[in-house]
Amino acid sequence: GGIITQTPKFLIGQEGQKLTLKCQQNFNHDTMYWYRQDSGKGLRLIYYSITENDLQKGDLSEGYDASREKKSSFSLTVTSAQKNEMAVFLCASSPGLGENTLYFGAGTRLSVL
Amino acid sequence: GDKVKQSPSALSLQEGTNSALRCNFSIAATTVQWFLQNPRGSLINLFYLVPGTKENGRLKSAFDSKESYSTLHIRDAQLEDSGTYFCAACNNNNAPRFGAGTKLSVKP
Repeated sequence: GGIITQTPKFLIGQEGQKLTLKCQQNFNHDTMYWYRQDSGKGLRLIYYSITENDLQKGDLSEGYDASREKKSSFSLTVTSAQKNEMAVFLCASSPGLGENTLYFGAGTRLSVL
Repeated sequence: GDKVKQSPSALSLQEGTNSALRCNFSIAATTVQWFLQNPRGSLINLFYLVPGTKENGRLKSAFDSKESYSTLHIRDAQLEDSGTYFCAACNNNNAPRFGAGTKLSVKP
């Protein structure tokens, strides 16, 4: 088995601040994803990376940047935190885009003051 | 509009009863996944499906790609089944998209 580790677990930022969330996986999966979940809502796709050095925009990419530094890690940057950016950010990985059983990390809970 | 629609949005069951959750797609889905998000927020994989059916204990899921829907049947509901159930659909060329979830409460 493997594990997906998201850091930090909790992130408190100031409005307008640039904030970075990190995700590491040891499944040796090719594909990684970032989803956002607002309270009581479903998951919305922000960015995904099919393989190392690849980056694809999801449905909610505006206001975010992402970076796939190496196969095992995928980071997400909130470029300018907004008052309504209070959500849980979930990282996932899968063997590939066509073999897309998703495995999730525990999430980073973001609060903006 | 939403690519993946789940129904109902909320459901309350008596312990020991059965029910079915549904997921309808507006995309040409080739695979479907079902997850349970527990009260702590962890997402638990339940099923990964190509067209067809799978069963695991008291849970059974079916995916009909031609009619663009999937169902999750819960038999003999238990208190620990409470949480929010999500389906996620994708085709081979794109990342999985999620529905808004069905919040299930099982009562004694």
